Amino acid sequence: QQQVKQSPQSLIVQKGGISIINCAYENTAFDYFPWYQQFPGKGPALLIAIRPDVSEKKEGRFTISFNKSAKQFSLHIMDSQPGDSATYFCAAIKTSYDKVIFGPGTSLSVIP
Amino acid sequence: EAGVTQFPSHSVIEKGQTVTLRCDPISGHDNLYWYRRVMGKEIKFLLHFVKESKQDESGMPNNRFLAERTGGTYSTLKVQPAELEDSGVYFCASSQRAFGQGSHSPLHFGNGTRLTVT
Repeated sequence: QQQVKQSPQSLIVQKGGISIINCAYENTAFDYFPWYQQFPGKGPALLIAIRPDVSEKKEGRFTISFNKSAKQFSLHIMDSQPGDSATYFCAAIKTSYDKVIFGPGTSLSVIP
Repeated sequence: EAGVTQFPSHSVIEKGQTVTLRCDPISGHDNLYWYRRVMGKEIKFLLHFVKESKQDESGMPNNRFLAERTGGTYSTLKVQPAELEDSGVYFCASSQRAFGQGSHSPLHFGNGTRLTVT
């Protein structure tokens, strides 16, 4: 059973558009929510992260929105670029256990 | 600073054979983790070393998997004997500090070893 659900599985966005990836979790003990970006042939790399006491975090074109009551969070990529084409994983961590629980991933393609 | 290095990048073996994967973490990183992604599903935790000690091995699927980190430097993950369902990408990651050690430092992942068992 997936502890972190993620949708869509794949996403095609035109250059300049907004990419939105949604995630949901069940375990309220999770207290740290990172997003990872993975390019083909590479390992996942931390993109941006948020704690549940914050509703939004923005870093450049990347924004996490967090809804604690709904146990949902999402990644928005503004002004999407072809270089953003990658697989994105949302994740959740219960920091006392120190293991990352990944979602199944979203393959993003940004077309010119 | 050199990143996390994994070797080999690809391995194709037959069912029943043995394979050993190696991970060299970033120098000075006491925390070393193994994860794997099977069949395009989510990346799953296997185990966590702090220096040479196994902190958490709750994700190891069965006793065919053996991880070691002698001397607290590089780590190996041995699969013996390999089964078809072991196919996937095995990632190693390292960090200076884990969450339980105070202020967390980011996980740095290697590029993975793609294991194919035929």
